[in-house]
Amino acid sequence: SQTIHQWPATLVQPVGSPLSLECTVEGTSNPNLYWYRQAAGRGLQLLFYSVGIGQISSEVPQNLSASRPQDRQFILSSKKLLLSDSGFYLCAWGRDYEQYFGPGTRLTVT
Amino acid sequence: GIQVEQSPPDLILQEGANSTLRCNFSDSVNNLQWFHQNPWGQLINLFYIPSGTKQNGRLSATTVATERYSLLYISSSQTTDSGVYFCAVEVIGRRALTFGSGTRLQVQP
Repeated sequence: SQTIHQWPATLVQPVGSPLSLECTVEGTSNPNLYWYRQAAGRGLQLLFYSVGIGQISSEVPQNLSASRPQDRQFILSSKKLLLSDSGFYLCAWGRDYEQYFGPGTRLTVT
Repeated sequence: GIQVEQSPPDLILQEGANSTLRCNFSDSVNNLQWFHQNPWGQLINLFYIPSGTKQNGRLSATTVATERYSLLYISSSQTTDSGVYFCAVEVIGRRALTFGSGTRLQVQP
C-alpha cells in the first residue's frame, strides 16, 4: 500500500530564516505530487504541483519554491521566511484524480 | 476560477443524530472528494465521488454532477465524527483540487 511521509511535524522559525520541508511517497511510482497550505481558519490553498521529476507548476506567486529531485520526493523551500508563511503545510500524492494527504507540517514563523 | 461553497459552516449535534452536509460548485468537474480533517490536522479520505452515490458504514455521499452539488450524509453520529469536513473538486483540464471552506462539526455526548 502507499504511504506518504512529511517532516518535520512541527517547526518554529524566525522571520528571514530559510525553510526546507520534505515529502516522500512510498509504494507507487510516478505520482502527481502537491503542496497545499492551510492558514488559520479552514481553507486549503494549492501552492505547487508536479507531474514528474523537475516539472513544477506554481499556483500562487510568493517567496516559496518547490523542487522534485526524485520521483517520489517533493521539497518546499524558502530563502527568507515571512510572518505570513505561518500555517499548516500538507503534501499530497495522486493518480487518476484521487488525492491522498500526508500528516502535515505545522510552521510558525516568529 | 471555480467556486466551491459548503454549508452549513458550523454544526453542533447530539450523539446519535443524523446530518447532511452540502457542497455546491460552479463549474463542471472530473473529480470530487470528501475529506474529514481530524483534530490533529490529518485529512482522511472519505469518498471519491464525481457522480452517483456511495456508502461506507454510517457515511454516504451523493453527487449530482449535472446540478453541480454533492451531499454528505452522516447517520447515528458519534463524538469521533467531530472535526472539519471538506469538499474538494478538480476542474476538467486542471490537475489540482480546489477546496471549499469546510463544515465544522461538533458531536456532543
